Amino acid sequence: GENVEQHPSTLSVQEGDSAVIKCTYSDSASNYFPWYKQELGKRPQLIIDIRSNVGEKKDQRIAVTLNKTAKHFSLHITETQPEDSAVYFCAASRPPAAGNKLTFGGGTRVLVKP
Amino acid sequence: GAVVSQHPSWVICKSGTSVKIECRSLDFQATTMFWYRQFPKQSLMLMATSNEGSKATYEQGVEKDKFLINHASLTLSTLTVTSAHPEDSSFYICSGGPAGTDTQYFGPGTRLTVL
Repeated sequence: GENVEQHPSTLSVQEGDSAVIKCTYSDSASNYFPWYKQELGKRPQLIIDIRSNVGEKKDQRIAVTLNKTAKHFSLHITETQPEDSAVYFCAASRPPAAGNKLTFGGGTRVLVKP
Repeated sequence: GAVVSQHPSWVICKSGTSVKIECRSLDFQATTMFWYRQFPKQSLMLMATSNEGSKATYEQGVEKDKFLINHASLTLSTLTVTSAHPEDSSFYICSGGPAGTDTQYFGPGTRLTVL
């Protein structure tokens, strides 16, 4: 089955700096890669996603890049703000074959220091 | 985005009792929903795939007789933790998404504490 590795496990940045989280996946058939943000005790919220036919996607301060050949994808947050502090999870799936079943990375705890 | 609700948001029960958790899709129909378990400071681990009108598919290592899943309608899946023990204490989260889309939306989660 799919295996997703995520690094780093914790990340501390100064407000205004950039944060980068990297994930690798094992199943070359995976074609959908979402990123979720989870605040303490709350549900994961989708912040951005990318499909395998695209190399990069941006949404305001957030961007995701995908390298299919190397089987890795990254989340980039620019101009970080204290409200970006949370746990971020990458995931991979291969819809529709696997019915949107997500395999998650281990998570990255991001702390943005004012 | 689509909305998924869960009930209850938290539950405390005695060891040996059973607990039922409901997961509802409020504005879409879900032929498939997923149940995850999350221990403190850990990632989400998929427990099972809930299929409307048929048996659930369980991940390796998840006891199907302990975690009963029923998906009797296109908007409701239930997870029953039978004969709960303290080690079953965890955060249980469901997800679903509208047909034809890849995105999964998560419920708010249910925190189960077994005494």
